[in-house]
Amino acid sequence: QKEVEQNSGPLSVPEGAIASLNCTYSDRGSQSFFWYRQYSGKSPELIMFIYSNGDKEDGRFTAQLNKASQYVSLLIRDSQPSDSATYLCAAWKTSYDKVIFGPGTSLSVIP
Amino acid sequence: GAVVSQHPSRVICKSGTSVKIECRSLDFQATTMFWYRQFPKQSLMLMATSNEGSKATYEQGVEKDKFLINHASLTLSTLTVTSAHPEDSSFYICSIDTETQYFGPGTRLLVL
Repeated sequence: QKEVEQNSGPLSVPEGAIASLNCTYSDRGSQSFFWYRQYSGKSPELIMFIYSNGDKEDGRFTAQLNKASQYVSLLIRDSQPSDSATYLCAAWKTSYDKVIFGPGTSLSVIP
Repeated sequence: GAVVSQHPSRVICKSGTSVKIECRSLDFQATTMFWYRQFPKQSLMLMATSNEGSKATYEQGVEKDKFLINHASLTLSTLTVTSAHPEDSSFYICSIDTETQYFGPGTRLLVL
């Protein structure tokens, strides 16, 4: 079982729709969770991080964390073609003091 | 967030040569830096954790004699790919901070 799992996609949504990206993690000791966006040929850039159960909103992005279910999600409202990228979910593993990345989900927003 | 630079951004070399990649933290004193490798259409794979003033910690399966890491100051870490081969062609990315990772722009290595 991979430590951080994501559906590889591709996930296609029409412009203006809500894109929902999901992530599960296996280590209950993980405390912090991150969403990164990576455009093709570029390095990842941080979108959001979340520590506590519940929702965290930042502009068009909402991260959701459910530690009981070991589940993290990212919602992108009013999706734009510029949101087309690979989204990486990551968990900070306290026991190893390093971040574990998921395989990423490819998102395509269709104009 | 912190600003991280890498140099070079792209390098092409012949098989058997060594290539050095620099990672600089421009506005943050980083005692720890991380080196990742990413093959096409795959996720980031952590290669090693670079520790200022001490030896790097390598992930399982990464050859420490092939991927030499030096972290001589709080703002600079270098990764040297020794005797590079075509299978080492990849996108190498460094990052700083431990919990919230700030990434450099990456170095694309092509070994002919």
